[in-house]
Amino acid sequence: ILNVEQSPQSLHVQEGDSTNFTCSFPSSNFYALHWYRWETAKSPEALFVMTLNGDEKKKGRISATLNTKEGYSYLYIKGSQPEDSATYLCARGGSQGNLIFGKGTKLSVKP
Amino acid sequence: DTGVSQNPRHKITKRGQNVTFRCDPISEHNRLYWYRQTLGQGPEFLTYFQNEAQLEKSRLLSDRFSAERPKGSFSTLEIQRTEQGDSAMYLCASSSGYGGDTQYFGPGTRLTVL
Repeated sequence: ILNVEQSPQSLHVQEGDSTNFTCSFPSSNFYALHWYRWETAKSPEALFVMTLNGDEKKKGRISATLNTKEGYSYLYIKGSQPEDSATYLCARGGSQGNLIFGKGTKLSVKP
Repeated sequence: DTGVSQNPRHKITKRGQNVTFRCDPISEHNRLYWYRQTLGQGPEFLTYFQNEAQLEKSRLLSDRFSAERPKGSFSTLEIQRTEQGDSAMYLCASSSGYGGDTQYFGPGTRLTVL
């Protein structure tokens, strides 16, 4: 894997469903993995920064895991709510601190 | 509001005109980044500053683009002789450290070149 890849590209779920997204990245020269939530007309909001293999982080109903050896991270949302509707971006931290983003997963939660 | 701010939020210009965007980072942050997002893509890195020094520029940053951070506080991004391909969302972010630190983003400037 040369670039940061995210799947699925979009996802439509019902309120109350749990869901998860995948972020794949090059496993060599790993520095950090970032997750952001970006709602329309707002600033991208930082969710997690993970640096260690096996890291698991949680923020309310949202959690994330990291596997640096195989180059992937999962983001989980438990009991999705309409306000969770947003684009979820993952980004790999570069050697200079710049972020290398995937294209994002667009989540729509229907009431 | 102590977050990252960007002005203007929207800019519509005609091809060939010059435009300038401003970013005000979180005050204690010494790193400032510029990214560009085009339709269907994730944000792409353009350049970054450590205090007032511009330390890296992406290949995406053509000669028509120039960025400054004169006193290590706010930053400006200027695009000369705009082209339709410059239409994008320009995002600014700031952080206090390196690759493992959170970057805090502003709301972006949406540029439309007619």
